[in-house]
Amino acid sequence: DTGVSQNPRHKITKRGQNVTFRCDPISEHNRLYWYRQTLGQGPEFLTYFQNEAQLEKSRLLSDRFSAERPKGSFSTLEIQRTEQGDSAMYLCASSLAGTSQYFGPGTRLLVL
Amino acid sequence: AQSVTQLDSQVPVFEEAPVELRCNYSSSVSVYLFWYVQYPNQGLQLLLKYLSGSTLVKGINGFEAEFNKSQTSFHLRKPSVHISDTAEYFCAVTGFGNEKLTFGTGTRLTIIP
Repeated sequence: DTGVSQNPRHKITKRGQNVTFRCDPISEHNRLYWYRQTLGQGPEFLTYFQNEAQLEKSRLLSDRFSAERPKGSFSTLEIQRTEQGDSAMYLCASSLAGTSQYFGPGTRLLVL
Repeated sequence: AQSVTQLDSQVPVFEEAPVELRCNYSSSVSVYLFWYVQYPNQGLQLLLKYLSGSTLVKGINGFEAEFNKSQTSFHLRKPSVHISDTAEYFCAVTGFGNEKLTFGTGTRLTIIP
């Protein structure tokens, strides 16, 4: 068990470009979560999956954001037409149902 | 819906002194409570959690927290801090049957040698 991993760790992009982040959860965990953390704030919930089903989406997740977990294992978070306001740390977490969430190291996005 | 308030944005403490980081929550349903620590440029690490049972919970690195339902608080304590405890600490809450964590704005703990 190597914990939750996220790639890339850092991403710099120009406004208007699309970006995609990947999260690999702890292998036996069936739940996977995405959060966003801006400077000086706590993480904010974006969405979560149970296996391959996306069960809840925050109103923070605009139409430009899409998340998938096609085989119930890894997940991707795509942001289309990035804006400067999308600059943040994107955190992934995983858990077994009803247990604590374990977080990955995050992907830091900077939109220029 | 749940909310979390961490009143202290920064707490400076001398090395080997005790520390208390405050957390108050609001919820219309029963809750689970958590403390996470975040070191610079890293993700969050679970320190401890309250799910049910004893209101005093012990976690890693010598930290403990006490759940107080009447005061809706879950303060984090450590009797003697070390330089390595310098980090950002986040209190989080989730309600029964609710999957998402709601975090406070964090408390930056700085240890003074």
